Amino acid sequence: GQQLNQSPQSMFIQEGEDVSMNCTSSSIFNTWLWYKQDPGEGPVLLIALYKAGELTSNGRLTAQFGITRKDSFLNISASIPSDVGIYFCAGRDNYGQNFVFGPGTRLSVLP
Amino acid sequence: NAGVTQTPKFQVLKTGQSMTLQCAQDMNHEYMSWYRQDPGMGLRLIHYSVGAGITDQGEVPNGYNVSRSTTEDFPLRLLSAAPSQTSVYFCASWRGETQYFGPGTRLLVL
Repeated sequence: GQQLNQSPQSMFIQEGEDVSMNCTSSSIFNTWLWYKQDPGEGPVLLIALYKAGELTSNGRLTAQFGITRKDSFLNISASIPSDVGIYFCAGRDNYGQNFVFGPGTRLSVLP
Repeated sequence: NAGVTQTPKFQVLKTGQSMTLQCAQDMNHEYMSWYRQDPGMGLRLIHYSVGAGITDQGEVPNGYNVSRSTTEDFPLRLLSAAPSQTSVYFCASWRGETQYFGPGTRLLVL
């Protein structure tokens, strides 16, 4: 089946630093999504991308839909303690009703 | 709106026991799904539904049953619990590209 890979698996950064993470797939997706999961909660949608090359921002978050349609990137600028959590990418193709999730990137922000 | 609600929040079962995880949404979404989340593996789809009376299998359906008699409710049944089903279970409903997740049910099977 379709699988997504995320890197890095985990990262520790200082408050105020910028963060970059990415998601790759062996399959083409027509929609890329980025979610954040706080401890003990369900994932919450951060950004949705619909077109190859698209760059979309949501506050300090910026995500890009890769040109090849097989990858996506998420950047967080000027990190703050509440950015701590697990960030998941998810993809959706034209044929499926559903979403395929990556294994997540666990972000820790040190004060 | 309550969004997506799940009960119970936490459950301990013995091997072989059965139980039902409840999920309800009040957003009138046609699509609903059940996922399990295991460390390092992200969210894996168990079953999903595209509307009342219609369900289908996801990536890891074995050992689970679902039904969708109403738009609002989508219960997940464990027929005979096994330790391999120890996990956190999330229900989601969606319209378009936006999925709304419930708070999860933590299940421990001894």
